[in-house]
Amino acid sequence: DARVTQTPRHKVTEMGQEVTMRCQPILGHNTVFWYRQTMMQGLELLAYFRNRAPLDDSGMPKDRFSAEMPDATLATLKIQPSEPRDSAVYFCASGPFGTDQPQHFGDGTRLSIL
Amino acid sequence: QKEVEQNSGPLSVPEGAIASLNCTYSDRGSQSFFWYRQYSGKSPELIMSIYSNGDKEDGRFTAQLNKASQYVSLLIRDSQPSDSATYLCAVNSDGGTSYGKLTFGQGTILTVHP
Repeated sequence: DARVTQTPRHKVTEMGQEVTMRCQPILGHNTVFWYRQTMMQGLELLAYFRNRAPLDDSGMPKDRFSAEMPDATLATLKIQPSEPRDSAVYFCASGPFGTDQPQHFGDGTRLSIL
Repeated sequence: QKEVEQNSGPLSVPEGAIASLNCTYSDRGSQSFFWYRQYSGKSPELIMSIYSNGDKEDGRFTAQLNKASQYVSLLIRDSQPSDSATYLCAVNSDGGTSYGKLTFGQGTILTVHP
């Protein structure tokens, strides 16, 4: 059963440190999404790639967040410097191209910034 | 701003009852609609997709879509305690740079009590 793989599953670090989260989309999926979920805000879209090209990163704080897709099997989300307000669960999702196609989520990275 | 609104929860139903979850959306051009289930501490899991007006049944789940009213619902028959979770309504944008992007509702927490 194909799955989206995210690493690490948990990350605890101190404020100011760089955080890198990785995602391996399902083989053959050419759209990749990064979401952040908190109790207060729910599920927020941070960035969106199609065929490795960034299409929409309007939900991402540009001064500290960056998202890249160096190849078709790897997407990364970086936070530098990290702040306590970045504590959340970060999900990666992937899907095949097309408006009728659902997204499939990874297990998420639970991030805590002290 | 394209919005997806879900009925405020939490929703509590007794075991064996029908649980009804509702969702309205603002983008009249939306074509694809999805329901995700999210257990506490887990990632969203796709349970239903619907694309045309009417009902779509899958086991104990029935999705209903009315595009004229911009309304989509999920019925869970014979509710079980294992159905206790947060249910997320998601709507697919119709095109442009938002092609393939899902807009999620805030979720409805469902509790099924024995």
